[in-house]
Amino acid sequence: NAGVMQNPRHLVRRRGQEARLRCSPMKGHSHVYWYRQLPEEGLKFMVYLQKENIIDESGMPKERFSAEFPKEGPSILRIQQVVRGDSAAYFCASSPPRAGPTDTQYFGPGTRLTVL
Amino acid sequence: RKEVEQDPGPFNVPEGATVAFNCTYSNSASQSFFWYRQDCRKEPKLLMSVYSSGNEDGRFTAQLNRASQYISLLIRDSKLSDSATYLCAVNPYTGRRALTFGSGTRLQVQP
Repeated sequence: NAGVMQNPRHLVRRRGQEARLRCSPMKGHSHVYWYRQLPEEGLKFMVYLQKENIIDESGMPKERFSAEFPKEGPSILRIQQVVRGDSAAYFCASSPPRAGPTDTQYFGPGTRLTVL
Repeated sequence: RKEVEQDPGPFNVPEGATVAFNCTYSNSASQSFFWYRQDCRKEPKLLMSVYSSGNEDGRFTAQLNRASQYISLLIRDSKLSDSATYLCAVNPYTGRRALTFGSGTRLQVQP
């Protein structure tokens, strides 16, 4: 019964490169959420997706960041032209279909992005 | 005012002690509440959902006070393994699912 899977677990990029973070939700889950945790800070919501749809991207920075959850394959969080301030832990969470706002979100192990 | 606030601690307690954390939220329409535990450099793990009637799971008790807009977590008989950061999470917006997290309360249980 695999949990939420994220890869890579650690990613190092130089300024200006692109970062691609992948998330596979728990089996049977169709809702995916991305959160970012800056050093010594709490988690901040970025985006909520269902298959092929972005439902809520109110927490996404306006530039350089994008997310998708295709019909087949994992959800992808893409950061273009990374800057040092993008260094953080990026966590993905999932919840089951027909879930409501009170349903639990289960977190993956995160991807730690370091921008040199 | 932050949407969700927690005392960052650290709370340093001896083994066997009882410790309580509070978490306040600003939006009175908030509809779901959770406590997560986060170990250093790991993912948040769900500890408990918090219900209006309060709920208990072994040594852990969670309470919701809607009138004063806070949730609490009580840990009895603290163990060394309880040392972690405890995050409260609130869904503050009707119809949306984004969780707003507090910045966490750090607990250190000492032998």
